[in-house]
Formats: sequence, C-alpha cells, structure tokens
Amino acid sequence: DAGVTQSPTHLIKTRGQHVTLRCSPISGHKSVSWYQQVLGQGPQFIFQYYEKEERGRGNFPDRFSARQFPNYSSELNVNALLLGDSALYLCASSLELQTYNEQFFGPGTRLTVL
Amino acid sequence: AQKITQTQPGMFVQEKEAVTLDCTYDTSDQSYGLFWYKQPSSGEMIFLIYQGSYDEQNATEGRYSLNFQKARKSANLVISASQLGDSAMYFCAMRGVSGYSTLTFGKGTMLLVSP
Repeated sequence: DAGVTQSPTHLIKTRGQHVTLRCSPISGHKSVSWYQQVLGQGPQFIFQYYEKEERGRGNFPDRFSARQFPNYSSELNVNALLLGDSALYLCASSLELQTYNEQFFGPGTRLTVL
Repeated sequence: AQKITQTQPGMFVQEKEAVTLDCTYDTSDQSYGLFWYKQPSSGEMIFLIYQGSYDEQNATEGRYSLNFQKARKSANLVISASQLGDSAMYFCAMRGVSGYSTLTFGKGTMLLVSP
C-alpha cells in the first residue's frame, strides 16, 4: 500500500499570494494532521481533521485554513503569504482520531515565499 | 501544555558504535505517548519507536531502543551499532490525551556517523 502522499513537492510563491497544498492519507486512515516545519526547528502542529471536521487547531493565524474530503484526503490553504510562511509543510495520517501509537508522515511540500 | 527538550544540537559517532540521543519532556497529562522520528535530508519524517506512559518495559525496535525513565521525565533514544545511513536529524515528540493524536516536537538533534 502507498504511504502518505503530498503534492506538490516544491512550490515558489510571492508575498500576498495564496497557496493550496494537498495530502492523501494512507488507505483506511481517517485522520489527517498538518504540521509546519521552519528551517532549524521541529514540526509545529497546525490542524487535525477527522471525518471532514476540524478536531484540533494549533496557534496559527486565520490565514491558514484546511478541509478534509469524503475520501479523507485534505487540503491546506494559506492566504496572503508572508516571507515567514516559507517552510516544509508535512501531512500525517493516523487510523482514527485517537490513535495513540501511530502517526505516519508524508514527504512534505517545501514552500518558498519570495 | 506539553514541552519536549532536546539539548544536543549535534552528535558525532563512529560507525558500529552506540549513541544515545537525549530527550526530556514536560506534561500534566497522566496518559501520554513518546515518539522518536528520523528526518533525513529529503525531509520525510520516518517513525522509529513509540513508548506509552503506562508501558512497563522499554520499547525496542531492531537497533533502536527507548530508555524511558518516567520519574525523571526522560525518553532517550539509543541506537546500537550505528550505520552511515543513520546520519540524519532525530526528533523526539509526545502526544497527550488532550491533544488526541497530534504531536509536540522538540528542536531535534543532528546525528553524524563517520566511517
């Protein structure tokens, strides 16, 4: 079975633009989480979605939004991009909302904001 | 709030030797989980090992073992018989009951394995 997939792998945008990142979880996994990893830091939690509903949100501005589709895939949207949004965006999937010992990550989307 | 502290920015080890990567944590949750991930330069986070707070025995997965000392709130990763392919960033993370399956990460430790 395929692992978590993300698209695109790399993206270059300019300040003020909008970006959409996509994630497909492992087959059968219902929960998707998004993380932002800036250079030199560990990943920071942005959102968790389960059964198309937002179940958790990290300390990020309203410019960040996400949604989950009936097939459990997910999109992360960022509006009015800032230079500081340049980061690796990681998607992780787990079987259920409260899966305690498994969270598998995708390869990430590297976003550069110029 | 949960916090993970990794105090070693970088570690060097020779091939075939063992190495310990330090991790301390802070949480008010009674039930929690501790994870270690490996991140090579490609960026993907690779799951290595998991320890539940109520697990009585230390977790092991092949060459990886987790030295869990609950009273000291530490969860150190031990890699035995290091290989060149172990060179990567290593992150300690934790999940608490209140955070469902979301993770709080430390800043990471860069491990370099030399021949």
